[in-house]
Amino acid sequence: DAKTTQPPSMDCAEGRAANLPCNHSTISGNEYVYWYRQIHSQGPQYIIHGLKNNETNEMASLIITEDRKSSTLILPHATLRDTAVYYCIVRGWGGGSNYKLTFGKGTLLTVNP
Amino acid sequence: GAVVSQHPSWVICKSGTSVKIECRSLDFQATTMFWYRQFPKQSLMLMATSNEGSKATYEQGVEKDKFLINHASLTLSTLTVTSAHPEDSSFYICSALPGQAMNTEAFFGQGTRLTVV
Repeated sequence: DAKTTQPPSMDCAEGRAANLPCNHSTISGNEYVYWYRQIHSQGPQYIIHGLKNNETNEMASLIITEDRKSSTLILPHATLRDTAVYYCIVRGWGGGSNYKLTFGKGTLLTVNP
Repeated sequence: GAVVSQHPSWVICKSGTSVKIECRSLDFQATTMFWYRQFPKQSLMLMATSNEGSKATYEQGVEKDKFLINHASLTLSTLTVTSAHPEDSSFYICSALPGQAMNTEAFFGQGTRLTVV
């Protein structure tokens, strides 16, 4: 079972910031938060990941709460091409099956003109 | 970012035949690859983890004799759907982990749309 909870859908106006929340209250100390997105009929695309510090790259920013039980993915200036299903995934590292990516249902973000 | 290529992008086959899907990491070595299946309007479901040079590890409920996985090199894993039936029609997606790196993102192929008629 996925370890995250996300709203099923969200809308955002083009040019505005899109803030996608994710709850991962059972996250353990060695688990990272990963974000991927999937545009219709394509493979998932990596966006960003983090452990406990906030992270930023050319695509997005990731804000992780101090207790690490939730996070927010921020797309600073959403465009129509950002319409996709966004998946928040908790993933461990190390041996065994910890490194598997288990997908939940994600959030369908629709960017409107 | 790193590139993972799947082939074919789509395939239509007759019921009872077998179909092979290839997953290649084009610019990195992948000791571990994953195979997913996705039905319409659903999320990705992990089928198996493929490790180079060893047998794949299948998720619960996935028939290993029906979905044959071979990971013979550090850049290629194949998934063969044997004796395909219409209920096997789905979107199959692979992903690859670069080398032994921890704390690194997995890269995904573009997916293969399988239709069994």
